[in-house]
Amino acid sequence: DAKTTQPPSMDCAEGRAANLPCNHSTISGNEYVYWYRQIHSQGPQYIIHGLKNNETNEMASLIITEDRKSSTLILPHATLRDTAVYYCIVRVARTQGGSEKLVFGKGTKLTVNP
Amino acid sequence: GAVVSQHPSWVICKSGTSVKIECRSLDFQATTMFWYRQFPKQSLMLMATSNEGSKATYEQGVEKDKFLINHASLTLSTLTVTSAHPEDSSFYICSARVAGRTEAFFGQGTRLTVV
Repeated sequence: DAKTTQPPSMDCAEGRAANLPCNHSTISGNEYVYWYRQIHSQGPQYIIHGLKNNETNEMASLIITEDRKSSTLILPHATLRDTAVYYCIVRVARTQGGSEKLVFGKGTKLTVNP
Repeated sequence: GAVVSQHPSWVICKSGTSVKIECRSLDFQATTMFWYRQFPKQSLMLMATSNEGSKATYEQGVEKDKFLINHASLTLSTLTVTSAHPEDSSFYICSARVAGRTEAFFGQGTRLTVV
């Protein structure tokens, strides 16, 4: 799986958009970008994933550059409960068979301030 | 949907004893589950991949005789930490993937403290 690079920490004001960057310059054509977050002392929570098109769901938006070498997770209106470690992971995605594992890096510690 | 539940949420055991942690997929069947370990202020480290009806695949450096994994049904995988020692104290997390979907879902984790 391709490696990712994320800033170790970021701060964001409550109510503002939080933009979390991720570099994945060695990503392969069949690898997807996944985002998870982990709130303190809990299991990781799936946020969103995408291949090359921008994606949006009820939690966040994912913007992937045209060359797919980087992406940005956007939390449009951050709240205090969004304080967590955010992980960007790239890997091949299969819906049948296989046992593709998620390899976690160090992630970005996002702190949302009141 | 796609809820993964772990039990117990936390456990304290004496050194030398064994501890079993359960991971259940509540509303879907999971042919594959993953077990992770997380030490304080560190990221998740994959320990093993659990496959229903077959032997688990362990990551390099993980002792298969110490961390016994059983995946006897499509909704339950168990991790048994045998002869636990204080250095096994950690946060253990399982995850499972839903057939037809590519994202994995995680349990809430189990905090193990060996005294």
